[in-house]
Amino acid sequence: DGGITQSPKYLFRKEGQNVTLSCEQNLNHDAMYWYRQDPGQGLRLIYYSQIVNDFQKGDIAEGYSVSREKKESFPLTVTSAQKNPTAFYLCASSIDVRRTQETQYFGPGTRLLVL
Amino acid sequence: DAKTTQPTSMDCAEGRAANLPCNHSTISGNEYVYWYRQIHSQGPQYIIHGLKNNETNEMASLIITEDRKSSTLILPHATLRDTAVYYCIARTGGKLIFGQGTELSVKP
Repeated sequence: DGGITQSPKYLFRKEGQNVTLSCEQNLNHDAMYWYRQDPGQGLRLIYYSQIVNDFQKGDIAEGYSVSREKKESFPLTVTSAQKNPTAFYLCASSIDVRRTQETQYFGPGTRLLVL
Repeated sequence: DAKTTQPTSMDCAEGRAANLPCNHSTISGNEYVYWYRQIHSQGPQYIIHGLKNNETNEMASLIITEDRKSSTLILPHATLRDTAVYYCIARTGGKLIFGQGTELSVKP
């Protein structure tokens, strides 16, 4: 089945700890995205990547880091610098971010909780 | 991207049409209107998009006014599984900017 997978579904972080959220897609999409969603709010863009080995900051990149070493994978690290990391994290992909019409496909999400 | 305005919540009876409005009065000529929905604790799901003409697919219909300042998403026969938050987004490409959306509750 084609799609986007995110793991784990739930993740717990201790104070001062870095954690990495996984996102994999087998849709052969060039572009990938990470969003954060707080309760009752819409999604906010953290980082996006148009192509392998390239990524751009979104609206709320502080305290996060990403890598894009493979087309299929776009892991997100929540660093200890992110002081309020508790949220629902969503990964998405699309064919090409530069296209005028561009549909994004989302994974099931990872819920991060701070202990 | 143009700012969109949606009602916070709406109710709809099961089997009836659900009409979800969206205002995008500052939309520019090349910005598409997209609709996504998010069922609780899941990732958003693409529904439909359009530029000027009305669009229909297996999920919904999108009606865009002639001046393009507003649109309506129509779910022709709402079911309980259509209960979700519906997001209207105007974009040219690149980033999606999600507002708070409309929480649609379909009731038996």
